[in-house]
Amino acid sequence: EAQVTQNPRYLITVTGKKLTVTCSQNMNHEYMSWYRQDPGLGLRQIYYSMNVEVTDKGDVPEGYKVSRKEKRNFPLILESPSPNQTSLYFCASSLAGGPSEQFFGPGTRLTVL
Amino acid sequence: AQTVTQSQPEMSVQEAETVTLSCTYDTSESDYYLFWYKQPPSRQMILVIRQEAYKQQNATENRFSVNFQKAAKSFSLKISDSQLGDAAMYFCASESSGGSNYKLTFGKGTLLTVNP
Repeated sequence: EAQVTQNPRYLITVTGKKLTVTCSQNMNHEYMSWYRQDPGLGLRQIYYSMNVEVTDKGDVPEGYKVSRKEKRNFPLILESPSPNQTSLYFCASSLAGGPSEQFFGPGTRLTVL
Repeated sequence: AQTVTQSQPEMSVQEAETVTLSCTYDTSESDYYLFWYKQPPSRQMILVIRQEAYKQQNATENRFSVNFQKAAKSFSLKISDSQLGDAAMYFCASESSGGSNYKLTFGKGTLLTVNP
């Protein structure tokens, strides 16, 4: 089954404790992206990757890091989480832009205390 | 930069009736794509319908159709014969066709309630 998976689905952590949210897709997609969703703000892009070893900042990259060492994986790293990073996070992937559908993962609910 | 505006934070409709969700956008791009996504309580983002800006014909997917007015930069979603399963948050989104980032720019969403 074609899908994007994220782990963990739920995470409660404390300020400053490094964490990684994993994202993996099995569709051989070149493009992958991370979004965060906050009430009243819709979804905003954090980082994106056009291919292996090619990543760039989105609209809200502060406090986040990413890596793309393999085509299928695109982890999101929070090296020192803060309460303002409490949010719902989505990973997405697509073969290309334009009419190609972007497939979203199931979301990760992160709470930083 | 692209912006997407959904002016209706909440809407409600009776089962089997028709409802229209509004969306306006702003872009300096000559070519772009528009989407409607559905987010049910499960939080999964589900693509409902997409429209290429260069196509004049409005997209249709079963009970879902759009009214794309390019000059007015308007992209509304019409849901016909509403069903209880249509209850969800609906997001309008745009994507520019050029450049290296296929970023989706989302509106703030419209919460649709379907009354039995």
